Amino acid sequence: AQKVTQAQTEISVVEKEDVTLDCVYETRDTTYYLFWYKQPPSGELVFLIRRNSFDEQNEISGRYSWNFQKSTSSFNFTITASQVVDSAVYFCALIEDSNYQLIWGAGTKLIIKP
Amino acid sequence: SAVISQKPSRDICQRGTSLTIQCQVDSQVTMMFWYRQQPGQSLTLIATANQGSEATYESGFVIDKFPISRPNLTFSTLTVSNMSPEDSSIYLCSVERRGADTQYFGPGTRLTVL
Repeated sequence: AQKVTQAQTEISVVEKEDVTLDCVYETRDTTYYLFWYKQPPSGELVFLIRRNSFDEQNEISGRYSWNFQKSTSSFNFTITASQVVDSAVYFCALIEDSNYQLIWGAGTKLIIKP
Repeated sequence: SAVISQKPSRDICQRGTSLTIQCQVDSQVTMMFWYRQQPGQSLTLIATANQGSEATYESGFVIDKFPISRPNLTFSTLTVSNMSPEDSSIYLCSVERRGADTQYFGPGTRLTVL
């Protein structure tokens, strides 16, 4: 069965520190998509990135970077030089090519202290 | 991406009443979904809103409790019927265009049932 695990329930760091959010997934499909979403206190879910199973290239977008490793079934998210505005709950999710349904991790609450 | 709006953004309702939440997209989309997010939890899919036909409900959700309409490709409503305090959640709609494999979310409706 598909599953997404975010083992870190809550992380608290001081502003400007780097922080990595872990995501481990399980699937039997060879074709699948992985996602990260950000949910600030306002409640809206903001799409950050999609990665398909055939593209293991790491991605960098400003202070955000993602490390996709099929060998360990992980899709980790790193924020460098964190800022208070990064404080949010971050969700990792998975869709298998054969199924439209998003499988969600439990989320990691990130607190950035000034 | 798509611009998605939801109305109302929040509401406080009395037990036993019903609330209808609207989701409007700025362009035609193939798939529309409704999710519930209980306090401190991840997202749970309620149903897929199908244009011109009955919604497809996930296990644990029934049409009598959560009737859904989708009269066209840009609009859907979710009604939370006969509410109880356990229905207090954020309700989110999401949309996906055919082949896009990415869901974009509305801002959510924060519901409190007294």
